[in-house]
Amino acid sequence: DVKVTQSSRYLVKRTGEKVFLECVQDMDHENMFWYRQDPGLGLRLIYFSYDVKMKEKGDIPEGYSVSREKKERFSLILESASTNQTSMYLCASSLGPSGRVTGELFFGEGSRLTVL
Amino acid sequence: QKEVEQNSGPLSVPEGAIASLNCTYSDRGSQSFFWYRQYSGKSPELIMSIYSNGDKEDGRFTAQLNKASQYVSLLIRDSQPSDSATYLCAVKDNQGGKLIFGQGTELSVKP
Repeated sequence: DVKVTQSSRYLVKRTGEKVFLECVQDMDHENMFWYRQDPGLGLRLIYFSYDVKMKEKGDIPEGYSVSREKKERFSLILESASTNQTSMYLCASSLGPSGRVTGELFFGEGSRLTVL
Repeated sequence: QKEVEQNSGPLSVPEGAIASLNCTYSDRGSQSFFWYRQYSGKSPELIMSIYSNGDKEDGRFTAQLNKASQYVSLLIRDSQPSDSATYLCAVKDNQGGKLIFGQGTELSVKP
């Protein structure tokens, strides 16, 4: 089974703090994604990556950055957390080939971030 | 902005009934459509994909696609309480290849 692991299930941070959310997948998938999920808004794509060291902006990249130094790991960074970034963050991966996204995403368990 | 719209519900059906979940999308060029199920407190999981007009059946689930009308639906026959979840419609962006999700429909199946 594909396993997507997110490092933290629950985080509480203060406004202005730098926040790292880590995601690791064990199935050698080319594509990785970061979404946030908010009530009534569904899943919104923040960033995605087709390959190591490659990244593409999603629909709501403002206030976020990402890093993909290794194929299996995709990190989401909040440079200066704000209260409107309080949300559930979901990492996902999918099989390539690189640059072609299949519709089957495998999601991690999610990281619930609260920014005070 | 390309959009995927779902009725947020909640949709309540009695056990054994047919649950009908609907989704419309704005990108006429979209070719790939997906239904994900998300139990409360869990992450989404893919349950159906459909690419051609018409019906696609998988057990108690049937996905229906009408590209001319830009809608996709999911029918759940013989609904069970274990089907109670939020169902997310997703459409693959024809240009960028990413998935665009609707806001989800909450389904409650009452025993």
